[in-house]
Amino acid sequence: SQQGEEDPQALSIQEGENATMNCSYKTSINNLQWYRQNSGRGLVHLILIRSNEREKHSGRLRVTLDTSKKSSSLLITASRAADTASYFCATVTQGAQKLVFGQGTRLTINP
Amino acid sequence: SQTIHQWPATLVQPVGSPLSLECTVEGTSNPNLYWYRQAAGRGLQLLFYSVGIGQISSEVPQNLSASRPQDRQFILSSKKLLLSDSGFYLCAWNRETYNEQFFGPGTRLTVL
Repeated sequence: SQQGEEDPQALSIQEGENATMNCSYKTSINNLQWYRQNSGRGLVHLILIRSNEREKHSGRLRVTLDTSKKSSSLLITASRAADTASYFCATVTQGAQKLVFGQGTRLTINP
Repeated sequence: SQTIHQWPATLVQPVGSPLSLECTVEGTSNPNLYWYRQAAGRGLQLLFYSVGIGQISSEVPQNLSASRPQDRQFILSSKKLLLSDSGFYLCAWNRETYNEQFFGPGTRLTVL
């Protein structure tokens, strides 16, 4: 069953602009994670935010979590061409032993 | 440091043929192991996960099976492939269930 749903499905912006992707989920979570996937490659973990956290930063990445709205956002600041990839959110529910992934946002950074 | 390997990288198989995809992890012990399938342009579907040798949990009834004959080895198999088995298969591991997962490079399977 689908837990996380990303929005938008595709996003195209100019290099240097900020990119914002959103993720909504349905049930209570232990944590929410964001991953990046370059075309034809495996996923790379970006950031993990726990249910008792509201915001987290890692370099040019900023993740927020609103458990009351069951939503999260990933902000990439000062985007670069190398940021072109698909971005997935994934949730871990309490007591579960697995991640449930959303369908992803395909981000294109135009030079 | 830990590394995860998958092979083969690409595979083209006829319908009805068997399948064996292998995943191995180096540099850690007793990892949790996961098999995912990804259809083109889509998210990941969890197929199987294992928290120890011989312990396999299946998420989706299907034409596939998984085995964990050794601590750091996870195998995905099928006796007879279907067209619908085509996709990108990813193996992943982590140490603690709630933690981030580390993914292998994937196997692109095309069933003709």
